Amino acid sequence: GENVEQHPSTLSVQEGDSAVIKCTYSDSASNYFPWYKQELGKRPQLIIDIRSNVGEKKDQRIAVTLNKTAKHFSLHITETQPEDSAVYFCAASAGGTSYGKLTFGQGTILTVHP
Amino acid sequence: EAGVAQSPRYKIIEKRQSVAFWCNPISGHATLYWYQQILGQGPKLLIQFQNNGVVDDSQLPKDRFSAERLKGVDSTLKIQPAKLEDSAVYLCASSLASGTYEQYFGPGTRLTVT
Repeated sequence: GENVEQHPSTLSVQEGDSAVIKCTYSDSASNYFPWYKQELGKRPQLIIDIRSNVGEKKDQRIAVTLNKTAKHFSLHITETQPEDSAVYFCAASAGGTSYGKLTFGQGTILTVHP
Repeated sequence: EAGVAQSPRYKIIEKRQSVAFWCNPISGHATLYWYQQILGQGPKLLIQFQNNGVVDDSQLPKDRFSAERLKGVDSTLKIQPAKLEDSAVYLCASSLASGTYEQYFGPGTRLTVT
């Protein structure tokens, strides 16, 4: 089955700096890669996703890049703000071949210091 | 639109007792997922329903866990008997259909087994 590795497990940055979180996956059939943000005690919320026919996607301060050859994808947050502090999870899915089953990474605790 | 609803929000039971969780997905969402999230880890899929049929229960400990989705809407997840290692947050999610569709998560039920 799919295996998703996420690094780093913790990330501390100063407000205004950029943050990068990286994930690798094992199943070459995976074609959907969402990123979720989870604040303490709250539900995971989708912040951005990318499909395998796209190499990069951007939404304001957040961007995701995908390298299918190397089987890795990354989340980039620019101009970080204290409210970006949360746990971030990457996930991968093989879509139709696995009925959309998501396999999650272990999570990255991002702390943005004012 | 209304989000995914779950109840109860918190539950404390002793080992060997039984417990049940309830989930009401977003109206019109055909696919429903139950995830287990152990503290410090990413969510792990337990079972996935497409309407009222199971499409994936490969990671459900079937000797003690059961789930049903009668009439293809609400769902219940039951644990009987509970073990200490079942302490976790149980998240329900729904999506329009299986495949590469955004999954919307409920607030979760935090289970503590003593």
